[in-house]
Amino acid sequence: GESVGLHLPTLSVQEGDNSIINCAYSNSASDYFIWYKQESGKGPQFIIDIRSNMDKRQGQRVTVLLNKTVKHLSLQIAATQPGDSAVYFCAEKGAQKLVFGQGTRLTINP
Amino acid sequence: GAGVSQSPRYKVAKRGQDVALRCDPISGHVSLFWYQQALGQGPEFLTYFQNEAQLDKSGLPSDRFFAERPEGSVSTLKIQRTQQEDSAVYLCASSLDHGRAYEQYFGPGTRLTVT
Repeated sequence: GESVGLHLPTLSVQEGDNSIINCAYSNSASDYFIWYKQESGKGPQFIIDIRSNMDKRQGQRVTVLLNKTVKHLSLQIAATQPGDSAVYFCAEKGAQKLVFGQGTRLTINP
Repeated sequence: GAGVSQSPRYKVAKRGQDVALRCDPISGHVSLFWYQQALGQGPEFLTYFQNEAQLDKSGLPSDRFFAERPEGSVSTLKIQRTQQEDSAVYLCASSLDHGRAYEQYFGPGTRLTVT
């Protein structure tokens, strides 16, 4: 079946450094991918999305890269701040529902 | 403006009890989704409504799970005869319309613990 997964369950970075969170997906027919941030006790919060006809999209301090050849998605966070501490999920969006990966916990060292 | 709200935020049930979880979507949002999130895992789809119509319930794990949205706004997820494996956070999301282009906004979730 379809699955969206992550390479690393945890990532620890120094404040001010860039963070890179990776995700692999298995459904080559997927055409829409989203990154979510989930803080403790809260629901997932939309960060950025990308369509399969793109390979890069930039937002404020965040960049998503899509490599369809190897079915790989990444989220880059520039100048990581303490407020970026959270669990990050990639998700594939079908016609309606979202299919989430397991998540990567990002911790920031002062 | 108000986001998606869910109640209760926490629910403890003894095994075998029935529970009802409420979701208030963003006003005017046509689509409403329920997801189940086990500890340390990503959310998993349960069911989807477009207005009052339940268009997809393929993710409901058993016939003990039932969801409704009778007037196309508030939704209730009911779990009958709760089991320990039902312990999870239940997330509700709404979007302005269906389709890939419409962002899903999530509520804070209801944490259900079955003892």
